[in-house]
Amino acid sequence: EVRLVESGGGLVHRGGSLRLSCTASGFSFSSYALAWVRQTPGKGLEFVAGMNSNGRTTFYAESVKGRFTLSRDTSTNTLYLQMGSLRTEDMAVYYCARDRGRAVTFFDYWGQGTLVIVSS
Amino acid sequence: EIVMTQFPATLSVSPGEGATLSCRASQSITTNVAWYQQKPGQAPRLLIYGASTRAPGLPARFSGSGSGTEFTLTISSLQSDDFAVYYCQQYHNLPPYTFGQGTKLEIK
Repeated sequence: EVRLVESGGGLVHRGGSLRLSCTASGFSFSSYALAWVRQTPGKGLEFVAGMNSNGRTTFYAESVKGRFTLSRDTSTNTLYLQMGSLRTEDMAVYYCARDRGRAVTFFDYWGQGTLVIVSS
Repeated sequence: EIVMTQFPATLSVSPGEGATLSCRASQSITTNVAWYQQKPGQAPRLLIYGASTRAPGLPARFSGSGSGTEFTLTISSLQSDDFAVYYCQQYHNLPPYTFGQGTKLEIK
């Protein structure tokens, strides 16, 4: 069974940092692209960042480029999203999502999400 | 950025009837569109990809169509479990990809 479990969300002050983790199980971690998608009541679903299965090709939304960084640890099957210089508009539920293939396209499995709250 | 526009924002339909949800892309995306269903408190669930291919296990009452800039998700004979919010997503060329703002399908 494919499982994606996010952790690391919480309350952070504006300008602060936070690292989200996504621990995967039930599939070959290095064979699929993974991504983070966030959701806010006002802006709906927004692609944040994605990594192809090669672990080297990454993509970021313009709104987070230069502030967020993706990485992964294949020994623990974990995808990380390091978030810095956080803004109030980054406040959202962050979902980890698995692509159906090796390149980031659409997402066939999603975690349950982790909530990030940015206080001003 | 490719903008995905969904309409209507809310659709009220009686159980047993059919529903047609629309999604328009701001430029041609060929058939690079996916549809998701989301229920309150849950993550999105993939329904359709490639504009018309059903995800494994999806009932045949769900169907997708369209190409270029106009796409449709059709649900025939609505069941109580189908009432949710539906999103389209384009995955044309390279990321970052974009989602529509959603259509809420509610019980009439």
